[in-house]
Amino acid sequence: GDSVTQMEGPVTLSEEAFLTINCTYTATGYPSLFWYVQYPGEGLQLLLKATKADDKGSNKGFEATYRKETTSFHLEKGSVQVSDSAVYFCALSERTSYDKVIFGPGTSLSVIP
Amino acid sequence: DSGVTQTPKHLITATGQRVTLRCSPRSGDLSVYWYQQSLDQGLQFLIQYYNGEERAKGNILERFSAQQFPDLHSELNLSSLELGDSALYFCASSVGSASGSRNEQFFGPGTRLTVL
Repeated sequence: GDSVTQMEGPVTLSEEAFLTINCTYTATGYPSLFWYVQYPGEGLQLLLKATKADDKGSNKGFEATYRKETTSFHLEKGSVQVSDSAVYFCALSERTSYDKVIFGPGTSLSVIP
Repeated sequence: DSGVTQTPKHLITATGQRVTLRCSPRSGDLSVYWYQQSLDQGLQFLIQYYNGEERAKGNILERFSAQQFPDLHSELNLSSLELGDSALYFCASSVGSASGSRNEQFFGPGTRLTVL
């Protein structure tokens, strides 16, 4: 079945460092791809999404590009802040329906001043 | 604040007991989704309701059941609880559609269930 794999955490970075969180997927069809973020004590929030190959999703300085040839959707940010400390989930769903979302295991990020 | 509310925030109970978790979706959202988040299993989709009808089922145990009421709030019932049922249970909602939602899911803050 469809699945999502993420790099294992926790990841600890200093403020203003460059962030990359790797994500690869396995899907039988042509999925839509998402990054969700979970801040401490809260539910998940959609951070960005991409619905077709070579699409770049971006939000709050975060970016991810849908790479069909490598089945990847890596999350990047040029300069992280302490407020970016959270758990990040890569996820996929069917292209035509976002009803059933399959999540990766999550990557915990801690940013220290 | 996502607009999705869940009660209670925390629940502590004993093995063999039965509990009910409640979710109120965002105003106007017709779809409700339930997820279980645990350390060993990650975030697992349990079940979805759309406008009162069950739409999709995921990894939901037979001891668990859910329903969506005419006012669109939803309840997740967990019975014969086991230690392994301890987890965070999230509800999410979306606008939804009869043919499958193309809209973002908004997540509530979760209910933390501890089974002793």
